[in-house]
Amino acid sequence: KAGVTQTPRYLIKTRGQQVTLSCSPISGHRSVSWYQQTPGQGLQFLFEYFSETQRNKGNFPGRFSGRQFSNSRSEMNVSTLELGDSALYLCASSLMGMNTEAFFGQGTRLTVV
Amino acid sequence: AQSVTQPDIHITVSEGASLELRCNYSYGATPYLFWYVQSPGQGLQLLLKYFSGDTLVQGIKGFEAEFKRSQSSFNLRKPSVHWSDAAEYFCAVGANTGFQKLVFGTGTRLLVSP
Repeated sequence: KAGVTQTPRYLIKTRGQQVTLSCSPISGHRSVSWYQQTPGQGLQFLFEYFSETQRNKGNFPGRFSGRQFSNSRSEMNVSTLELGDSALYLCASSLMGMNTEAFFGQGTRLTVV
Repeated sequence: AQSVTQPDIHITVSEGASLELRCNYSYGATPYLFWYVQSPGQGLQLLLKYFSGDTLVQGIKGFEAEFKRSQSSFNLRKPSVHWSDAAEYFCAVGANTGFQKLVFGTGTRLLVSP
């Protein structure tokens, strides 16, 4: 069974640009959640999608957005990039969300210059 | 709101020695608890989970953890550490709130000395 696939693995963007990251969950999993990992703030929850609906959102500015498609694949978008957005962005998939374990992808390393 | 504390930022253990990584959580109801491991530049791999039932849970790679409600703890243990266990370990708590959201501790970096 294939794991969680995140693309691209690495990105370098310039301040002010926007970026889209992609996540393909494990087959059959309907919940996709996103996390930001930085040395200073650690792992922080961004948002979670289930059946194309955002069920919860973390404490991030509106520049961070996401969506989920009917095949459960998810994308997250960051607009007007800031230097502080440089981070490892991790996607996790789970069967139903609550009460089930989350499996993480390898992450996308975003560097904003 | 839930929170997780991992009091040890770094731990160094000799190869073959036993290991215990500490995790304390704060949550008003019965939590869902997890331990993940992360190698440099990689994603998180699930080691084990506690949802309910037996408070001693077994995971992959020879790890186990014990849930102690009275101490709000979920410590990770391994009887004999291998050099390949060197990595960063994260404890996480999930809430029974209808959606998937994990709150992570700050992590413990494990160094294994020969």
